[in-house]
Amino acid sequence: DTEVTQTPKHLVMGMTNKKSLKCEQHMGHRAMYWYKQKAKKPPELMFVYSYEKLSINESVPSRFSPECPNSSLLNLHLHALQPEDSALYLCASSHPLAGMDTQYFGPGTRLTVL
Amino acid sequence: AQTVTQSQPEMSVQEAETVTLSCTYDTSENNYYLFWYKQPPSRQMILVIRQEAYKQQNATENRFSVNFQKAAKSFSLKISDSQLGDTAMYFCAFTERPRSNTGKLIFGQGTTLQVKP
Repeated sequence: DTEVTQTPKHLVMGMTNKKSLKCEQHMGHRAMYWYKQKAKKPPELMFVYSYEKLSINESVPSRFSPECPNSSLLNLHLHALQPEDSALYLCASSHPLAGMDTQYFGPGTRLTVL
Repeated sequence: AQTVTQSQPEMSVQEAETVTLSCTYDTSENNYYLFWYKQPPSRQMILVIRQEAYKQQNATENRFSVNFQKAAKSFSLKISDSQLGDTAMYFCAFTERPRSNTGKLIFGQGTTLQVKP
């Protein structure tokens, strides 16, 4: 089973709203990732969590706030976003043992900021 | 810095024929992984195939196979007997075999493949 789930599938929010994206996996993976993807472009890494600790933050604006409550869950809290933040937000997970670095992606949340 | 280059932004192939997507990469590392991911329109990014750099044998997964040329830093994907469901954007990606065990994926710009009936 290589399933990563993400909710919601679609989200429309105003620039003053606060919302959260959720990602869940039950594969025993201990590394989880947030990516942002614009149309017809490759995903851009935002954050990496390893064993529930933030290990990489790719200089993402503070209006994006990640959280990893446990080894299966990853949240992305959104506040005061800009229209240019509209994109597909992808979550991925991998098993962080040497030789098992394959990342498995969820279906994404398509975010529109008005 | 590691880079991944996909020189074919768009390609098309007739159903049942064979097509090859190109990918080159640049790294000074000796241990790394290479991947091809497929992303159909408005659908999920799916792993197609994975190659470990220390393995000389080319990876295969059913109709999908790679031609891994380590010295040339080339990693092409061959799709045999193309099907309509193969229509998608294909991303070549690279990650080092990291000590920290959380490898950053470096993606190419993608190749949009259309399979025509």
